[in-house]
Formats: sequence, C-alpha cells, structure tokens
Amino acid sequence: ETGVTQSPTHLIKTRGQQVTLRCSSQSGHNTVSWYQQALGQGPQFIFQYYREEENGRGNFPPRFSGLQFPNYSSELNVNALELDDSALYLCASSPDNYGYTFGSGTRLTVV
Amino acid sequence: KQEVTQIPAALSVPEGENLVLNCSFTDSAIYNLQWFRQDPGKGLTSLLLIQSSQREQTSGRLNASLDKSSGRSTLYIAASQPGDSATYLCAVTSGSRLTFGEGTQLTVNP
Repeated sequence: ETGVTQSPTHLIKTRGQQVTLRCSSQSGHNTVSWYQQALGQGPQFIFQYYREEENGRGNFPPRFSGLQFPNYSSELNVNALELDDSALYLCASSPDNYGYTFGSGTRLTVV
Repeated sequence: KQEVTQIPAALSVPEGENLVLNCSFTDSAIYNLQWFRQDPGKGLTSLLLIQSSQREQTSGRLNASLDKSSGRSTLYIAASQPGDSATYLCAVTSGSRLTFGEGTQLTVNP
C-alpha cells in the first residue's frame, strides 16, 4: 500500500469526551508523527514514534497520547476534549527521517 | 528553539509570472528542509526535499534553494498557473520533528 491514510476525515465531539484518530502509514516507514493545525496556522508537532516507541514530544499536555503498531498503523488519543482542540490533525510517516509523507488529515470539531 | 518564518504571508500574481517564496529559520543545525503545498482543508503534499548537504533541488517548474549558514531557503515557481493557487509551507527537520512556518498563501489570477 502506498501513501498515508487517515480516518475518519471529519469528526464532531462534545467537550470532555475522548477521541481516537487513526493513521495507516506507508509500508517500511518506521517513523510516524502527529501534528495539529489550527485554522490559518502552520502545523504544530505533537509527538513522534519510531519503531513503536515515543521518541519526541512537542508542547502538548499528557491528555494527548499515541500508539504505533507493528503493521505501520498508529493512533492519536485525546482525552477530556477542550474547545481549543478543534483543528486539523495530520499524520506523517517517514523512512527513518528522510522526508515526510502526510495524510489528508482528520478535521476535529469540539462543541 | 527552532523558529521558521515565511515571507510574504500572502501573494497574488497574474498567470505566467515567475515568483519567489521565502523561508528563514533560526537554528542552522537542520537535517533537511521540505517544501509542501496545502490546498484548503486538505493535507500536505510534498514538493521538494533538500538535504542539509545540498544547495538546491528542482522538480518541473519548481526550484528550491537552501543556504544553511544564513538560515534561508527560497522556492522559485516559474510560469505560474491558476492551478498553483494554494498555501505553501516550509518545514525544517531537527531531531525528531518538523518545524513549520505559517505559510504563504498564493493566488494566481487567470
């Protein structure tokens, strides 16, 4: 399989709920990263996983957590959703830090 | 802390014009630099990747340069077309992360 696939494409949640976003990376891409992009801004780094271990984290609280699985899929979990969590969430994968391929993103709206 | 700045924030040009988008970064200890294109509400499409040891990369009508010592990169678009209208994002890789600028919103008018 080629490319990075994210699901769902759109999601509406209520403040305080929990959400799980999913990403399927390209085969052979050991590195997966998640980014949050607010409207009109550049993407902000949430965290990165390399071979199923977190190896970098941005300035996001612990209620943002993730997992990477051996089959090149990964998850972003956000607990206790806040209105400011409304954004486009992007998944990116890379073959050992050599350039990143991004998915189409999940648009999360928290009401 | 790495910071990336893109100038201008928005640009409107007539079709056929050549144009340059600018990107600057504060920490020259980068692994590589990537230029992306983003259409409204969509994900990022990689345009060009320049390794830190390289000076430029070309793909079709696009040419990107990198001057690591001065912390600058430019994206040159030749003979612009209305289909080039999008937001262009510059990102540098340092450590385990990409650091993005806020983008240049390009409009090419027919």
